[in-house]
Amino acid sequence: KQEVTQIPAALSVPEGENLVLNCSFTDSAIYNLQWFRQDPGKGLTSLLLIQSSQREQTSGRLNASLDKSSGRSTLYIAASQPGDSATYLCAVREGGSEKLVFGKGMKLTVNP
Amino acid sequence: DADVTQTPRNRITKTGKRIMLECSQTKGHDRMYWYRQDPGLGLRLIYYSFDVKDINKGEISDGYSVSRQAQAKFSLSLESAIPNQTALYFCATRKQGVDTQYFGPGTRLTVL
Repeated sequence: KQEVTQIPAALSVPEGENLVLNCSFTDSAIYNLQWFRQDPGKGLTSLLLIQSSQREQTSGRLNASLDKSSGRSTLYIAASQPGDSATYLCAVREGGSEKLVFGKGMKLTVNP
Repeated sequence: DADVTQTPRNRITKTGKRIMLECSQTKGHDRMYWYRQDPGLGLRLIYYSFDVKDINKGEISDGYSVSRQAQAKFSLSLESAIPNQTALYFCATRKQGVDTQYFGPGTRLTVL
C-alpha cells in the first residue's frame, strides 16, 4: 500500500529564506507526483506536477524534483515571502489508478 | 467566478439525517472526484466519475453515494449521517489526458 510522508508537519521561517520541503513515498511505481498548496477556505491549488519520467519542474520561485528510485521529492521555494504561508501537500498517482495518495501536509509560516 | 464551486460551504447536521453536497464546474472537464480530508489523515478519495454514466468507488465509499446529473454537476450524498463523517469535503475535476486536478473550496460538514 502506497504511503506518502511529509516531514516536518510544520515550519516557521523568517521572510527571505530559501526553503526545501520534503516528500517521501513507499512505492516507486508512480505515474506522477503533484505538489499542492492549501489555503484556508480556498481549497487546493496545484503548484507543480512531475511525470514519472521527469526529474524536475519549475514555476517561478518554485522548483520540484523527483527521485523515483529513492521514493523522494523536494519542493524548493526561493526567497520565501509571507504570502507563501499555507499548507503544502504532496500527492502521488500510481499507474493505472485514478487515486491520488496524499501526504498529511506541511504547514508553512513565513514571518515578515 | 470560481471554476469549481461547492454548496453548501458549511453544514451542521444531526446523526441519521440525509445530506447532499453539491459540486458544479464550468471548466468543461469530463472527470470529477469527491475527497474527504480529516486532520492527521490527509485527503482520501470517496468516488469518482469519468462521465455521466461512469461512476466508480474510491478508497472510502461506504456510507456515501453519488450522482452525476450532468457533465458539470456531481453530488455526494450521505444517506444517514454519522459523527465520524465529520470532515472537510472537496470536489475536484480533471480533463481526460491532462493530469492536473482542480479543486473546489470545500464543504465543512459537522455531524452531531
